Amino acid sequence: DTEVTQTPKHLVMGMTNKKSLKCEQHMGHRAMYWYKQKAKKPPELMFVYSYEKLSINESVPSRFSPECPNSSLLNLHLHALQPEDSALYLCASSQDVTGGPETQYFGPGTRLLVL
Amino acid sequence: AQSVTQPDIHITVSEGASLELRCNYSYGATPYLFWYVQSPGQGLQLLLKYFSGDTLVQGIKGFEAEFKRSQSSFNLRKPSVHWSDAAEYFCAVGGKAAGNKLTFGGGTRVLVKP
Repeated sequence: DTEVTQTPKHLVMGMTNKKSLKCEQHMGHRAMYWYKQKAKKPPELMFVYSYEKLSINESVPSRFSPECPNSSLLNLHLHALQPEDSALYLCASSQDVTGGPETQYFGPGTRLLVL
Repeated sequence: AQSVTQPDIHITVSEGASLELRCNYSYGATPYLFWYVQSPGQGLQLLLKYFSGDTLVQGIKGFEAEFKRSQSSFNLRKPSVHWSDAAEYFCAVGGKAAGNKLTFGGGTRVLVKP
């Protein structure tokens, strides 16, 4: 089973709202990722967690706050977003980021609209 | 720095015809190469990957890709396209030297004519 689940599927929020995106995997993977994808563009890496510790932050604005409560869960907390943050947010997981080659498995994404 | 180029932004192919999507990469060490497919509004599904060994790799849905180190290419092929193959296709490169970070190409949108 290579399933990564994401909730919600769609989210509409105002610029003053606080919301969270959730990602879950039960493959025993120890690395999890957040990507942002604008229309007609490839995914852009935002954050990487390895063994529940933040290992990469691609200079993402602080209005995006990731959290990894345990090895199966990854959250992305959103606060005071801008309309240009509207995008498809993808979560991915892989076995590990150290050692050998890794394959990332993606979830279906959360379509976010900021009004 | 690693990079991926997919020269074709759009490709239109007739159902039943063959398909080839081009991918050229730049990477300073041993590359790990991937092809993902994305249907509209969906996540990315892994079609196939190359880490080492046989340079012709088979994937799901009847796709295959060939790694050519001398040409820095990893082109994707399918002998006979089905209408359900209409989607966006992304080539990606990663590797240990980059901490397994993936760099994606710009994508190729495939349209299938009946």
